Amino acid sequence: DIQMTQSPSSLSASVGDRVTITCRASQSISSYLNWYQHKPGKAPKLLIYTASSLQSGVPSRFSGGGSGTDFTLTIGSLQPEDFATYYCQHSYSTPYTFGQGTKLEIK
Amino acid sequence: QITLKESGPTLVTPTQTLTLTCTFSGFSLSTSGVGVGWIRQPPGKALEWLALIYWNDDKRYSPSLKSRLTITQDTSKNQVVLTLTNMGPVDTATYYCAHITYDFWSGYFGGFDYWGQGNLVTVSS
Repeated sequence: DIQMTQSPSSLSASVGDRVTITCRASQSISSYLNWYQHKPGKAPKLLIYTASSLQSGVPSRFSGGGSGTDFTLTIGSLQPEDFATYYCQHSYSTPYTFGQGTKLEIK
Repeated sequence: QITLKESGPTLVTPTQTLTLTCTFSGFSLSTSGVGVGWIRQPPGKALEWLALIYWNDDKRYSPSLKSRLTITQDTSKNQVVLTLTNMGPVDTATYYCAHITYDFWSGYFGGFDYWGQGNLVTVSS
């Protein structure tokens, strides 16, 4: 199985800050990396697919990058509704494992 | 408009078999390139990928749960069913079903783009 490791596990930031979350795969997954936002009691929401493609309806302050084993999710200017847990997930080969999550909290 | 909804028990006793149904609309699993997956999240823990069924009835399972999991589809009812045998307390989680699309150009799936609301299942005697 391909293991996905996110850093940091938690992050405190303020509205307006620019934040970056990192995801590392245990082997190369080309660009088959997806990012999700998850809020308590809600379904996860797809933000970015294939590393850098913005899902329809997702604000442009979200961006993704990377390829191979190292990937990033950047939120350009944090908004109050962005405080949530973020997960990376690969879709290179099954099982399509998720990272352990990054909890983004208000400072 | 694509929607999915999970249904099933909220409480299961240890050793029982869990059966969850995902009823969807807005797409057909007989359409080439479509898949439906199951993902779960134990309380306070991360998302865990469980299984995926493809438009051609091909199936994939989490290796750690493969011996206990079965995923099937009923195309006429627009449903996907997940069964998990020999339930234990560690299987307590919110179970989600989700839609995914295969990109024939690249040969890979994208992300899960539509999700159900989730079904919290507690395992307790």
